[in-house]
Amino acid sequence: AQSVAQPEDQVNVAEGNPLTVKCTYSVSGNPYLFWYVQYPNRGLQFLLKYITGDNLVKGSYGFEAEFNKSQTSFHLKKPSALVSDSALYFCAVRDRAEEVRFSGGYNKLIFGAGTRLAVHP
Amino acid sequence: DTEVTQTPKHLVMGMTNKKSLKCEQHMGHRAMYWYKQKAKKPPELMFVYSYEKLSINESVPSRFSPECPNSSLLNLHLHALQPEDSALYLCASSPPLGGSGARQPQHFGDGTRLSIL
Repeated sequence: AQSVAQPEDQVNVAEGNPLTVKCTYSVSGNPYLFWYVQYPNRGLQFLLKYITGDNLVKGSYGFEAEFNKSQTSFHLKKPSALVSDSALYFCAVRDRAEEVRFSGGYNKLIFGAGTRLAVHP
Repeated sequence: DTEVTQTPKHLVMGMTNKKSLKCEQHMGHRAMYWYKQKAKKPPELMFVYSYEKLSINESVPSRFSPECPNSSLLNLHLHALQPEDSALYLCASSPPLGGSGARQPQHFGDGTRLSIL
């Protein structure tokens, strides 16, 4: 069964400092991995994804994530945090094996529990 | 601005009312989804439509009735809801799973915040 773990309910960081939001996953095959951000009273916004190739993925708003197959992790990072980065962050995974089983067009994502990022001035 | 538009943004209804939520996308996506989200929790999948046909119903109570009139529109009809149904209801769309669609993210609307009195 697929699963995603975000071990921290909340991450606190000072503005200007680097930030890391952790994510580990479990799938039977190879994963597709995604990060989403949710600001108050908004839907989920896509930040970045890992599909294949380079383990370091760059995304929107200066965020990047590093895929580590041996540690089954996909941590989200940013070199210098902004107060405006404060939001709820979700990691999500889909098993590539689903491509074969769900040929009817179904693209199920498994979400982690979410991590609240608080950036202080 | 999001590419998936949901209306209304807020809805307050009594337990005996009938109302509908609407979702629209013009990205040519052939998979559309309804999610329910409680505060500070991840979205929970409710329904998936693929090529305008219902593909997945995640054991959702019958007081929620989805409809996909065409490839751009998705509705969620509500009737006789319970207070525990109060939540943010999110619509999403994506390319279908075939081909490169599996590698693409889902695009979410900003949701309808539903309150049941």
